[in-house]
Amino acid sequence: SQKIEQNSEALNIQEGKTATLTCNYTNYSPAYLQWYRQDPGRGPVFLLLIRENEKEKRKERLKVTFDTTLKQSLFHITASQPADSATYLCALASSNTGKLIFGQGTTLQVKP
Amino acid sequence: DGGITQSPKYLFRKEGQNVTLSCEQNLNHDAMYWYRQDPGQGLRLIYYSQIVNDFQKGDIAEGYSVSREKKESFPLTVTSAQKNPTAFYLCASSIADRTRNQPQHFGDGTRLSIL
Repeated sequence: SQKIEQNSEALNIQEGKTATLTCNYTNYSPAYLQWYRQDPGRGPVFLLLIRENEKEKRKERLKVTFDTTLKQSLFHITASQPADSATYLCALASSNTGKLIFGQGTTLQVKP
Repeated sequence: DGGITQSPKYLFRKEGQNVTLSCEQNLNHDAMYWYRQDPGQGLRLIYYSQIVNDFQKGDIAEGYSVSREKKESFPLTVTSAQKNPTAFYLCASSIADRTRNQPQHFGDGTRLSIL
């Protein structure tokens, strides 16, 4: 069955370091992948989209990679700040159905 | 400012009662979605609508119903048939996703609890 996995354990890092979050998937052939940020008690906010024919996408301090061979996306936040503390969700769209499927999210805590 | 408004923020349901969650958007988006979020789980799709007067079941539609009479509005009814309704409900919208790459815009959710 189709499955998306994000590290369920919280990621704790020191301010100024690079945070790296992982999204793995199985039995998918996604056309594109999206990353969202969710703060407690709020709805997710779209951050970045990367297509299957793109290897890397950047936006300010954010970088996303997409390896369709490894079936994995990495989400990097460079020079992390306490304000980056949140839960980050990856979402895949099947090229067959077009529906978005979300991972369970990884919580990032950046300590000053 | 354009966005999605969900109301109420908190809702309590008694046994055997139907409740309706409101979702309104002023983004002029054709597509709208309802998700359920439980602790430690990803968002699960309940219903979605690509155009007015049309909607489709998602992965967990049992015990829920929707309507799409207006482009701006996509209310979700949690019926008494939904035996485990306690969850955080999220509404989203997007541009009509013919290219299948449109990001979704979310409201701030309604937290439903059982009395």
